[in-house]
Amino acid sequence: GQSLEQPSEVTAVEGAIVQINCTYQTSGFYGLSWYQQHDGGAPTFLSYNALDGLEETGRFSSFLSRSDSYGYLLLQELQMKDSASYFCAVDRSGAGSYQLTFGKGTKLSVIP
Amino acid sequence: DAGITQSPRYKITETGRQVTLMCHQTWSHSYMFWYRQDLGHGLRLIYYSAAADITDKGEVPDGYVVSRSKTENFPLTLESATRSQTSVYFCASSESNQRSYEQYFGPGTRLTVT
Repeated sequence: GQSLEQPSEVTAVEGAIVQINCTYQTSGFYGLSWYQQHDGGAPTFLSYNALDGLEETGRFSSFLSRSDSYGYLLLQELQMKDSASYFCAVDRSGAGSYQLTFGKGTKLSVIP
Repeated sequence: DAGITQSPRYKITETGRQVTLMCHQTWSHSYMFWYRQDLGHGLRLIYYSAAADITDKGEVPDGYVVSRSKTENFPLTLESATRSQTSVYFCASSESNQRSYEQYFGPGTRLTVT
């Protein structure tokens, strides 16, 4: 089976940097995805790490360490619109299963 | 270009009734998925489909039935609704197996079973 752990809530100040961590235990692993979901909205894809290291997409970066079964999402220059829930998800597609397993999400509140 | 749509957006039904949630995508994506989202549980996979006429169970399939006669449609049926199936249901699609980590979600259906 698989399990993912991420903090339930994080609060950060506008303009600051915040890191949302995700640790996972899974049988079969191909990569780690991150999704954003605003209240009442649908999840939207942010980033994917198949290899160890940092992937940067504008203000958002995502990091993966396979040896530590750990990843994080880094949000820089926080804006009020970044207030949302963030989900990490394990990708096992290479195992013949086209599934994502999601963590329970981290609710980020950006305050002025 | 509508992308991926779900209907209805809101539904109230009674225990024991059958209800079908519709999902339609215009991208011709091969893979489609149904999730339910509940407080404290995140997104949990109910069923998925790799192509027309190919479906498989996810993490929480009990009480649900799916079909996929056409690539663009992936309806989810609750055969006999129970209160525990009150949830927000999301349909999603992805382009290919190689990119199944990037899924596109519909707007969701909020289902209440009374």
